[in-house]
Amino acid sequence: SAVISQKPSRDICQRGTSLTIQCQVDSQVTMMFWYRQQPGQSLTLIATANQGSEATYESGFVIDKFPISRPNLTFSTLTVSNMSPEDSSIYLCSGETGNYGYTFGSGTRLTVV
Amino acid sequence: GQQVMQIPQYQHVQEGEDFTTYCNSSTTLSNIQWYKQRPGGHPVFLIQLVKSGEVKKQKRLTFQFGEAKKNSSLHITATQTTDVGTYFCAANWGAQKLVFGQGTRLTINP
Repeated sequence: SAVISQKPSRDICQRGTSLTIQCQVDSQVTMMFWYRQQPGQSLTLIATANQGSEATYESGFVIDKFPISRPNLTFSTLTVSNMSPEDSSIYLCSGETGNYGYTFGSGTRLTVV
Repeated sequence: GQQVMQIPQYQHVQEGEDFTTYCNSSTTLSNIQWYKQRPGGHPVFLIQLVKSGEVKKQKRLTFQFGEAKKNSSLHITATQTTDVGTYFCAANWGAQKLVFGQGTRLTINP
């Protein structure tokens, strides 16, 4: 199955700033997704990252706040813009790998102060 | 929106006891997947169920998909300390994106 490298693994950011999270897959994957997970909670889907076109956002998430890029089938970025403490969470990217389900990156633990 | 309910939220067992977690959807699923997340880790894919009434086994783990494709269960026989973690079901209604259940956190008393 695919391996996804996600960085940074953690960051502490000032409110009002932006952070870009990167995910690199070691093989081509058709679908990539971005999730958010509060510690001890479930995963909430932010958006589907579409290759070469605008991402598809879930209810409650907007492009201005969480712009996503996916220039090719092995790479995607998520930016958390104009951060506030409420954005503190773990952000995970994932790729659909057919019979091996969805592979996840190791996550980015974001703290906004 | 579409959601899948998972119970129980927590389960504490003695090592060697069995464990079961359940997921239920109000609408028919295309497939359901199960993931395990160790403390501090990321979700790791366990299995995918696609067919009505499907049963799959992985050593001490047994996965079932209901006849109506609306519910699923994961059963662990004779738990071991290595089974500690949170188990998530993740549902798919045909759009490829996964919606995760709330998860069941399993802790084990050795």
